[in-house]
Amino acid sequence: GEDVEQSLFLSVREGDSSVINCTYTDSSSTYLYWYKQEPGAGLQLLTYIFSNMDMKQDQRLTVLLNKKDKHLSLRIADTQTGDSAIYFCAVIKAAGNKLTFGGGTRVLVKP
Amino acid sequence: KAGVTQTPRYLIKTRGQQVTLSCSPISGHRSVSWYQQTPGQGLQFLFEYFSETQRNKGNFPGRFSGRQFSNSRSEMNVSTLELGDSALYLCASSYTGPGNTEAFFGQGTRLTVV
Repeated sequence: GEDVEQSLFLSVREGDSSVINCTYTDSSSTYLYWYKQEPGAGLQLLTYIFSNMDMKQDQRLTVLLNKKDKHLSLRIADTQTGDSAIYFCAVIKAAGNKLTFGGGTRVLVKP
Repeated sequence: KAGVTQTPRYLIKTRGQQVTLSCSPISGHRSVSWYQQTPGQGLQFLFEYFSETQRNKGNFPGRFSGRQFSNSRSEMNVSTLELGDSALYLCASSYTGPGNTEAFFGQGTRLTVV
């Protein structure tokens, strides 16, 4: 079945860029999501990318997709203390109805 | 536009009891999915409903069930609660399904079984 892996932890200084990485196994994944979860809260959709794209930029967020290596990354520019949270990548096949999530990357932003 | 609404936000139940959780999707969305989040297992798919039909089901025991109403609101039920059912239960709403359109999550219902 589908497997999605993320590193567990990332520490970054305020103002620097953060890069969160995700790898997946199923090359037929067509919709790739990034979600943010703050303590005690649900999942906030940050951005998504289709598998026919290599890059998507949305304000401070840049998503890069390397389909050959099945590698997805989320770059957060000018990281702020409010960006401290757990970030999940999730993948799904076209017309599928089950998201497969990575284990989440905890990002800690230090002042 | 209102987001995904889950009720209640918190629940405490005793082992052996049953519980019903509710999810109201974004207006116009017809797909509702349910996920269980625990520290040990992460986010796991329970089931997905579209137009009152279950389209997919995860690997959970039969104690976990769900349904969807004609207004797209969904409920999930867990019978004979076990301590291991303590988790954050999240529902996701999308227009036609997360494989076609964006999936938005609610704030979740935190269930504690004692």
